[in-house]
Amino acid sequence: DTEVTQTPKHLVMGMTNKKSLKCEQHMGHRAMYWYKQKAKKPPELMFVYSYEKLSINESVPSRFSPECPNSSLLNLHLHALQPEDSALYLCASSQETGEAYGYTFGSGTRLTVV
Amino acid sequence: ILNVEQSPQSLHVQEGDSTNFTCSFPSSNFYALHWYRWETAKSPEALFVMTLNGDEKKKGRISATLNTKEGYSYLYIKGSQPEDSATYLCAYPGGNTPLVFGKGTRLSVIA
Repeated sequence: DTEVTQTPKHLVMGMTNKKSLKCEQHMGHRAMYWYKQKAKKPPELMFVYSYEKLSINESVPSRFSPECPNSSLLNLHLHALQPEDSALYLCASSQETGEAYGYTFGSGTRLTVV
Repeated sequence: ILNVEQSPQSLHVQEGDSTNFTCSFPSSNFYALHWYRWETAKSPEALFVMTLNGDEKKKGRISATLNTKEGYSYLYIKGSQPEDSATYLCAYPGGNTPLVFGKGTRLSVIA
């Protein structure tokens, strides 16, 4: 299995809802990432997990809460989001966090906050 | 804050034409330079990870070169095909930090 699987592909949620995005890989990668991408802008890093521990949080608001229950799964819990949080959320993984390791990306979750 | 610049922002070429675009990155303390292809509604796909000055890598009709001293990389596509239409992203990791992406070059190949 050489893929990163993200679910759901699309999500519409209200500002008072609680929802979760899921990401799964079975390549034995020990680093996993959440990126946020808005239209016509590059993907921006949100969180990095290395060996199931949160290693980087890029000053992301607490309404986004990541979780890594095991080495294959990465979740992003969403609560009380704002319309400006509407974006494509990309999950990626790499063998390790070193700079020479290429990333494998999922196809993303398109989130719309209404 | 790392600055990764790509040019041009978008490009339209005829089928069969060869084309190239540029990625600029900080030239001090070089670590690696990544290229990704991102087709609409699909996942970004890794093309190359380049680590050595003067490196040239090739994958089919796509190749990339790297100049770490002046801080740029070129991506070349020979004989463009409609299936090459995609956004090409370069990304630069700063030391122990994850990838910082450029805005990408959006390539459209017209049949």
